[in-house]
Amino acid sequence: EVQLLESGGGLVQPGGSLRLSCAASGFTFSSYGMSWVRQAPGKGLEWVATLPGSGGDTYHADSVKGRFTISRDISKNTLYLQMNSLRAEDTALYYCARQYSRAFDPWGQGTLVSVSS
Amino acid sequence: QSALTQPPSASGSPGQSVTISCTGTSSDVGGYNYVSWYQQHPGKAPKLMIFEVSKRPSGVPDRFSGSKSGNTASLTVSGLQPEDEADYYCSSYAGRDKYVVFGGGTKLTVL
Repeated sequence: EVQLLESGGGLVQPGGSLRLSCAASGFTFSSYGMSWVRQAPGKGLEWVATLPGSGGDTYHADSVKGRFTISRDISKNTLYLQMNSLRAEDTALYYCARQYSRAFDPWGQGTLVSVSS
Repeated sequence: QSALTQPPSASGSPGQSVTISCTGTSSDVGGYNYVSWYQQHPGKAPKLMIFEVSKRPSGVPDRFSGSKSGNTASLTVSGLQPEDEADYYCSSYAGRDKYVVFGGGTKLTVL
């Protein structure tokens, strides 16, 4: 069974940093692209970043470009999202998801990031 | 403001059919056959229901179907059941720059 388990969320002050992790199991992690998608409280889904299965170029949304970085450690079957210069508008539930033909399937349960002073 | 436009709400009675639209541009929905639909129940993670415009992942009932015409994609739920009540989001590949864009979501109510 494919499982994705996010961790690393929490409360951080504006301007601070966090690193989210997503532990993957049940599939060959190195063969799939992986993504982060976030959902602000009571709001819709917003794509954040994607790392293709080939491990080549990464893709980041304009809203996080230059502040967030997606990466992976194949030896640990873990996806990461390094988040720097956090802003109040980054407050959201962050999901990791496996890429499936430009779609996301499955999704983890999410980790909550709150940016507030 | 979301890149793709969905109606905020839709409704139908059990057994009826309902269609949710998702309007984009030639740079996303109209330009690629990579439209996906997700179902999200309250407090739960989204679930993929349709990918590549009209394909269903294993385990998704055939009551769910997808289509596309020009810059507008649609999700049709036939034979509505109470458990279909949820939020539905569309998404589309949008090229290497924007990669993926989402709609704002549609709350489906089963009356």
